[in-house]
Amino acid sequence: AQSVTQPDIHITVSEGASLELRCNYSYGATPYLFWYVQSPGQGLQLLLKYFSGDTLVQGIKGFEAEFKRSQSSFNLRKPSVHWSDAAEYFCAVVPLYSGAGSYQLTFGKGTKLSVIP
Amino acid sequence: DSGVTQTPKHLITATGQRVTLRCSPRSGDLSVYWYQQSLDQGLQFLIQYYNGEERAKGNILERFSAQQFPDLHSELNLSSLELGDSALYFCASSTEQGNEQFFGPGTRLTVL
Repeated sequence: AQSVTQPDIHITVSEGASLELRCNYSYGATPYLFWYVQSPGQGLQLLLKYFSGDTLVQGIKGFEAEFKRSQSSFNLRKPSVHWSDAAEYFCAVVPLYSGAGSYQLTFGKGTKLSVIP
Repeated sequence: DSGVTQTPKHLITATGQRVTLRCSPRSGDLSVYWYQQSLDQGLQFLIQYYNGEERAKGNILERFSAQQFPDLHSELNLSSLELGDSALYFCASSTEQGNEQFFGPGTRLTVL
């Protein structure tokens, strides 16, 4: 079945430590890939996106993600986490067959990040 | 601030009732998407409108409907509400190219 999987429901890291959030997808062809962040009581903010080209994508707030076709993965990383990064992170895809002019997002279940000062 | 506005922020109503959620897209964006975020289902795409026309449909119940008006604002109508409809409802807008969606702050619906 086509799906987006975020294996980690909750991750806790210390401030200043590195971070990697995992995302795997199961689609016939590589979909468009996104990472969004949702802070408490806020909407979703796009961190970065991958459509094609360079497999290492730079985003906002110091985040980056690496697309690995062989592993069907698009993991999010940050070298040094700040307390303000505590939030919920969603991996999302737009399947290539979504239809002309439609970029409907299919989301993973999310990973909640807690940061210890 | 994404530029997408949603009203109201919170809505509390009873089972069987009908409510309307409103979304104003960013200036110039023609596409509006609606998503539902609930504890058990996560974030799910409901429906998309483009310049007044329905373009794509997701997991939207028959009790729910939407429309987009000539000024491009959109409304999501939820009727015969059930307890399970309690959720956060987001709208997002995008440009014609559509490869980035900008989300509003959401409307939290509580059905009692």
